[in-house]
Formats: sequence, C-alpha cells, structure tokens
Amino acid sequence: GESVGLHLPTLSVQEGDNSIINCAYSNSASDYFIWYKQESGKGPQFIIDIRSNMDKRQGQRVTVLLNKTVKHLSLQIAATQPGDSAVYFCAENISASGGSYIPTFGRGTSLIVHP
Amino acid sequence: ETGVTQSPTHLIKTRGQQVTLRCSSQSGHNTVSWYQQALGQGPQFIFQYYREEENGRGNFPPRFSGLQFPNYSSELNVNALELDDSALYLCATGGAGELFFGEGSRLTVL
Repeated sequence: GESVGLHLPTLSVQEGDNSIINCAYSNSASDYFIWYKQESGKGPQFIIDIRSNMDKRQGQRVTVLLNKTVKHLSLQIAATQPGDSAVYFCAENISASGGSYIPTFGRGTSLIVHP
Repeated sequence: ETGVTQSPTHLIKTRGQQVTLRCSSQSGHNTVSWYQQALGQGPQFIFQYYREEENGRGNFPPRFSGLQFPNYSSELNVNALELDDSALYLCATGGAGELFFGEGSRLTVL
C-alpha cells in the first residue's frame, strides 16, 4: 500500500555539524509535504512545508529538498544545536473535503546532537 | 505554545472500560484531528472533524468515536478498551496546512 517512511531511525551528530534527515514517499499523487519536530513529552511541531511545484524551500537554519522523480524528501539542518535533538517526521498530506489536508506520518528519525 | 489543550494528560484504565479524552483550542480553527501515537512510532490518523462533522477516518474500528462541538472543542471516545490502545493520543487543529498539536493524553490500559 501507499506509505511514507524514513531511511534512518537514528542520527547522531556533533554540535555545529549539518544534519540531513531523509524521507521516502510512495504516493505519486501527493502534492504537499510537511516536516514536524517532536520533542520528548510534547506534540509534533511544524518546521517547514513544501508543495510539489517546488524542489527546494528554505527556512531559518532548515532547508527541505523535494525530488519528485525518486519520491524523496530531505530535511537539512545547518549548524545543529543540542536543542535540535528530537524526533523528526515527514508527513505526506492528502486532500480532504473543505480544503483541509490529512497528514500521514512516517516512523520518524531520532536526531541526537552531542555537545 | 500552540494554544491546544488536552485533558487529562495521563490516565490509567483497565481492559473493557471506556475513556473520553478532551481537546480545546484558542485558535478558532474549525478543523480538529485526532491521532494515536504508540511508543516509537509516528502518529496514526484516527479521524478529522470539520464543522462538527466527520471529514475523514483512518483505519480504526467503530469503538473509536468522536465529537466536535460548536465552539470547535472536541472529544475522542474509545469503548471496550484493549491493551493495544495504550498510546499517546494527540489532538491537532488547523487543516489547510500546518497542524497545531496539543501535548497529548497518555493512556495506559492494564
């Protein structure tokens, strides 16, 4: 069936390094993707989104790349900080009625930043 | 802070019991979604409500039901609890893009 998944369940980096978290999706009709960050004991928090008419979008210290040819997303975090330690999810968004979307989440990647 | 409040934050039930989880938002969004997150997994979509009507449902049995009220607050009800229902239940508002999640209700079924 259609699914969203992540290549690496755990990523350990040193403070100051750049981090790259990858995500594969299989529904070629998907046209909207969101990255969420979930810290321990909290709900997921929006980081950045991208629509299928784009291949790159930048935020503050974060960049999302979308490769529709191979159905792959990546989240790049520049100058990773200890506060970036969390689980990161990519969510594939499926259109629902009323103009809303229903996100489908993958398993997540745990990012561990060592000081 | 997302402005989404869930209650209770933690609760323990036994198999066969029923539970009601609550969600309220300060944002005024007219769409609310519920997710189940088992330990070490991503959130799994249960259902979404838009203007008090169910607007989509994931692969969950009918014993999972919900309500959305005119003030857009919401309830998730689970009947005949099973051990596998132990999880973090997340409520989220917003629907046209970014979702705003509460911190969840952690349910343990013994």
